[in-house]
Order: sequence, then C-alpha cells, then structure tokens
Amino acid sequence: KAGVTQTPRYLIKTRGQQVTLSCSPISGHRSVSWYQQTPGQGLQFLFEYFSETQRNKGNFPGRFSGRQFSNSRSEMNVSTLELGDSALYLCASSLARGQTDPNEKLFFGSGTQLSVL
Amino acid sequence: DAKTTQPPSMDCAEGRAANLPCNHSTISGNEYVYWYRQIHSQGPQYIIHGLKNNETNEMASLIITEDRKSSTLILPHATLRDTAVYYCIVRVAASGTYKYIFGTGTRLKVLA
Repeated sequence: KAGVTQTPRYLIKTRGQQVTLSCSPISGHRSVSWYQQTPGQGLQFLFEYFSETQRNKGNFPGRFSGRQFSNSRSEMNVSTLELGDSALYLCASSLARGQTDPNEKLFFGSGTQLSVL
Repeated sequence: DAKTTQPPSMDCAEGRAANLPCNHSTISGNEYVYWYRQIHSQGPQYIIHGLKNNETNEMASLIITEDRKSSTLILPHATLRDTAVYYCIVRVAASGTYKYIFGTGTRLKVLA
C-alpha cells in the first residue's frame, strides 16, 4: 500500500510569490491534515480536511489556504510568500472513522521543503 | 488543550533500553497519548499510543501513570537507527474530529 505522497519535495520561491503544494493520502483515508515545521516553532497545525470540507484550522493568517478534492487528494496554497514561510510542510492522512475510534492515527508524508528567498 | 513537556535531549548506549519521559499533567479523561518519531528531514513516524493502560508493540512499550499525568516511552534495545526526535502528543477531540497537539520533542542520540 502506497504511503502519503507529497510533491514537490523541494521548492524555492521568492518573496511575494505564491506556491501550491500537493498531497496524495493513503488509499481509503478520508482526512488530510497539514502541518508547518520550523526549527523555532516546531510542528504547528495548519488545517484539516475531510470530505472536501475544512473541519479544523490552526492559528495561521489567511494567506494559508487549502482544499481537498473528491478523491481525498489535497492541496495547500500560500500566497504573498514571506521569508518566515520557509519551512518543511508536512501532510498527514488518516482513516477518520469517527471520534470513538481508538486506533485512529496519522500517517505522514516526507514533506515539502519550502525556501523563500 | 492539553500540552506535553519533554526533555530536549537524551543519550542512550546502543543495546540498552531508552526511556523517554513525557509530562501531560493537563490531559483530560478521553484524550489519548501518542508517540511519534522523526528522523532527519522525514515525516514523523507512528510508534505507539494509549489511553490509560500500558501498551506494547513490536517497536516500543508505553507506560502511562495511573493518574495519566505522565508517560514513558521505552525502546527496549536501542540501536543507532533509533537516533531521532521523539514527540509525545496528546490527541484531543475537536469539531467532529481530532487535533494532535505536538510537544517540542526529545532528541535521542544512541551512542555506539
């Protein structure tokens, strides 16, 4: 079974540009979450999508947005890039069978390393 | 939201047990404790999780105190490949799903 796939693996952009990152979840997984990881702030939750709807959102500005398609694939977009947006962006998928599922767990991709110059 | 506190770094001799502590004193009764690890520049990898009972799988054991305010991840026979950052996470219910609250992690270095 293929794991979570994120593309591209590395990306270099300049300030003011926008960027779109892609995530393909494990087959059968309905939930996709995005995280930003930086040396100073650690892993921070961006948002989570389920059935094409955003269910949870972290404390990030509106420049960060996402969407999920009917096949559960997800994209994340960052507009008007700033130097501080340089980070490893991680996508995670899960089965999301409900809040009572004791075995719910996240499966992470390898991430997209974004550098903003 | 419950938060976790972990020591920033630990060393362990190869072949010995690595015991990684985590404090989650504000955890609620239905919130699970998860452990993940991250090897340099890769995505975090699931290790184990539990609610209140001790758990064991092929990778590790998880010991949760009776009051659930702390837990310990045990790698029984650490190898050099276990060198990684280990995250203790509390899973909280939110808006029909879960949020995973990551701590700052413990950087474990296994020494030859």
